[in-house]
Amino acid sequence: GQSLEQPSEVTAVEGAIVQINCTYQTSGFYGLSWYQQHDGGAPTFLSYNALDGLEETGRFSSFLSRSDSYGYLLLQELQMKDSASYFCAVSDSPGNTGKLIFGQGTTLQVKP
Amino acid sequence: GAVVSQHPSWVICKSGTSVKIECRSLDFQATTMFWYRQFPKQSLMLMATSNEGSKATYEQGVEKDKFLINHASLTLSTLTVTSAHPEDSSFYICSARDLGDLPLNEKLFFGSGTQLSVL
Repeated sequence: GQSLEQPSEVTAVEGAIVQINCTYQTSGFYGLSWYQQHDGGAPTFLSYNALDGLEETGRFSSFLSRSDSYGYLLLQELQMKDSASYFCAVSDSPGNTGKLIFGQGTTLQVKP
Repeated sequence: GAVVSQHPSWVICKSGTSVKIECRSLDFQATTMFWYRQFPKQSLMLMATSNEGSKATYEQGVEKDKFLINHASLTLSTLTVTSAHPEDSSFYICSARDLGDLPLNEKLFFGSGTQLSVL
C-alpha cells in the first residue's frame, strides 16, 4: 500500500516559523512535493525534492531524507495569507505520466 | 506559469443526470492529465490518468463506466459523471504537467476545480 502521514492541524502566530512533517511509505518514489491549497481553491505547487537535502524558495524551504522516508516543509516569517492546507505528495514514477499521491493535508492556521 | 482551465466551476444537477467537466491546458500541450476528487477537509484522491489518444487508466475502486474520461486532443480532457447520485457530490480537480517547464517537470498545474452538487 501507499501512505503519507502528516499532522492534521498546526497553529502558529504571524512572524513565526512552522515546520510540517511528512513521512511516506510508497511502492515507488521519485520525489517529494509540497502543495498549498486555500479553501475552495486549487492546489498550487510550492516545492519539490528529488534528492536528499534542503531546497529553499523564498520564505518556504523543503527538506528530504530518502533513507528515513521523511521530509518537511518549513515556512518562515508567517503571514496571515499562509493560512491554508498543505499537502505533501509523492511521485510514484518519473516523467510525465508519474502519478502524484497526496497526503491527508495539514491545516495551518496563522493567528495575529 | 502554465495555466489549466477547468469548467464549470460549480454545477448543480438532479439525480440521474450526467455532468461533463472540461479541463484545458491553455498554453501548453498535455499528453497526460490527472483527475482528482476531494471531499471537504480531505486529501486529493487520484481517480484516473487521462491519456491523449488512448484509454484512461483508472485507480482501483473507481468505476470507469460511471466516470467517463475522454482525452481527444493534446489540450483537452473531459470527465463525465454519468447517472449522478448525491454520493457523487464532490470537488473534482484536473491537473497536468508542462513538460516545457524545465528543468523541473515534476510540477503539477491544477485547474480551479468543479464543485458538483447532486440533488
